[in-house]
Order: sequence, then C-alpha cells, then structure tokens
Amino acid sequence: AIQMTQSPSSLSASVGDRVTITCRASQGIRNDLGWYQQKPGKAPKLLIYAASSLQSGVPSRFSGSGSGTDFTLTISSLQPEDFATYYCLHDYNYPWTFGQGTKVEIK
Amino acid sequence: QVQLVESGGGLVKPGGSLRLSCAASGFTFSDYYMSWIRQAPGKGLEWVSYISSSGSTIYYADSVKGRFTISRDNAKNSLYLQMNSLRAEDTAMYYCARVNYGIDYWGQGTLVTVSS
Repeated sequence: AIQMTQSPSSLSASVGDRVTITCRASQGIRNDLGWYQQKPGKAPKLLIYAASSLQSGVPSRFSGSGSGTDFTLTISSLQPEDFATYYCLHDYNYPWTFGQGTKVEIK
Repeated sequence: QVQLVESGGGLVKPGGSLRLSCAASGFTFSDYYMSWIRQAPGKGLEWVSYISSSGSTIYYADSVKGRFTISRDNAKNSLYLQMNSLRAEDTAMYYCARVNYGIDYWGQGTLVTVSS
C-alpha cells in the first residue's frame, strides 16, 4: 500500500499568516490527491481535488500544488474559521490512504 | 442537495455483528461509486471499503478484509456495511462517502463501539 507522510503534525499560526502543509507519497501517484478539512465533531470537507483543483464553494485562499510524490496545501491568509485539522488522501489505487493529519491551532 | 445519512451504529460486544446503512438523496445514486471511511476516537481517517456503481467491483482495507462486506441497493438508494467478528479496534465513527475525484460528499457518521 502507498504510504502518505504528512507534515507537520501540528502548527500554531496567527490570523493572516500563510500556512503550508505537505504530503509525500511513498511512490508516484500522478496528481491523484485531495485535501480535506475537518472541524471537531464534523465530517471532513473536500477542499482540493486532483492535487490543484479547488472544490466548488471553497475560498480561493486555499490552493494545492504538486504531482508525483510531493504535494502542498497552502492557505494564503489564515482566517479564524480555518483552524481545523487537515488531511491529504491519495486515490491513485486501492487501498486509498490518508495522511496522518495536520492540526492548525491559534497562536 | 446531496445528502448521505448513516444509521445502524451502536454498542456491540467483541465478536458480534452490526449492519450499517446509508441513505442517499439529492443525486443519482446508481451513477456513483461509494465508500466507507472510519475514524477511531481522537485518531485520523482510515479508508475501509469501496464499491462500484453497479456493485461489481469491491475493495477492502486489509484491516477489515474477510470480516466486513460492502453492498448497495440502487433501487433503494442505499449503501450498506455488514460488519462481523467485530474487535475493539473497530470502534470508530463510520462515514458513508460519495466517490468523485476522491470523496466529494460525506455523511455525518454513525458511531460503532465494540466493548464488553
């Protein structure tokens, strides 16, 4: 199975900061990667699909990049509602695997 | 709008069985692949199983293979997960999810607790 290594596991940031989260796949997965946001007690929400495509209704401050094995989620200017846990997920082949998650906390 | 509503969770003893259901609405259910994903309390997300739109192709995570069975009834717009030989480590919130460039819609989840 493909392993997804996500970093950092947590970070503290202030409103307005630029935040970057990375995921590395153990083998090439083309651009078959998505990013999800999860708030406590809620189901995850799709932010980015196919590595860099913004899901409908998601603010443009979220962006994704990468291909092959290295991927990045960037929040250009962190907003109060962005404090949450973020996960990457590859859908290149089965079994799909998630990254371990990145908890974004208020500094 | 797309809605996925899970049911069937609860408390079950180790070795027991449970059947989860997911009622889908707001889209043409028979056009979409579907998945189950779970999250143990305080832990990350784990993909569990996938079923194609017709039900002809199915995949499982190694952790549940041979114990869980995914199925669907397109006439009833419903997805199911039959869980047998349950273990403590199966304790989790189970989410029904629509497959579309990864997962584009999730249900609210149903909690399964395996404990004596």
